[in-house]
Amino acid sequence: GNSVTQMEGPVTLSEEAFLTINCTYTATGYPSLFWYVQYPGEGLQLLLKATKADDKGSNKGFEATYRKETTSFHLEKGSVQVSDSAVYFCALGGSNFGNEKLTFGTGTRLTIIP
Amino acid sequence: DTGVSQNPRHKITKRGQNVTFRCDPISEHNRLYWYRQTLGQGPEFLTYFQNEAQLEKSRLLSDRFSAERPKGSFSTLEIQRTEQGDSAMYLCASSPQGADSPLHFGNGTRLTVT
Repeated sequence: GNSVTQMEGPVTLSEEAFLTINCTYTATGYPSLFWYVQYPGEGLQLLLKATKADDKGSNKGFEATYRKETTSFHLEKGSVQVSDSAVYFCALGGSNFGNEKLTFGTGTRLTIIP
Repeated sequence: DTGVSQNPRHKITKRGQNVTFRCDPISEHNRLYWYRQTLGQGPEFLTYFQNEAQLEKSRLLSDRFSAERPKGSFSTLEIQRTEQGDSAMYLCASSPQGADSPLHFGNGTRLTVT
């Protein structure tokens, strides 16, 4: 079946540090890949997505590239801010699978200290 | 766009009691989803509706669970004869129809079964 494996947290970084959160997946066919973020006290929201191999999703300074050869979708940001403190979820799904079956990873809690 | 609204925010109930949660999606979204999230895990798909039709149910949704969306607007999720293992955050999301449309999540209803 489909599954997502995420880097375990929590992750604590200093402001302006470089961030990588690893995500690998197992799926049959060609899913779309997503990163969702949950800020304190708020609902999950889409951060970025990529729908096919070699696509790069980007938003708010975050990037992730869909790597079919390594079945990965690692999240990166060059310089994190305190406001990036949140829980980050990698997910797979999409029109080939049906959005209704988004499969999420376990989440990675990120804390940025000033 | 007022977002996805879920009520109540918290529910504490005794084992064996029935509970009902409500979700009001974004008004122009015709797809509505229910997910469950336990501590330290990512959201797990439960079921989804397109308009008033319930199109898919996960094996996680036992016979004690029932979801409805009678007029294609709000939805209810009922759990009968609650068990301690039902304690979790129940998340509702909605999306417009269309390939890879992002899911918009509510803040969830946290259920505690004592």
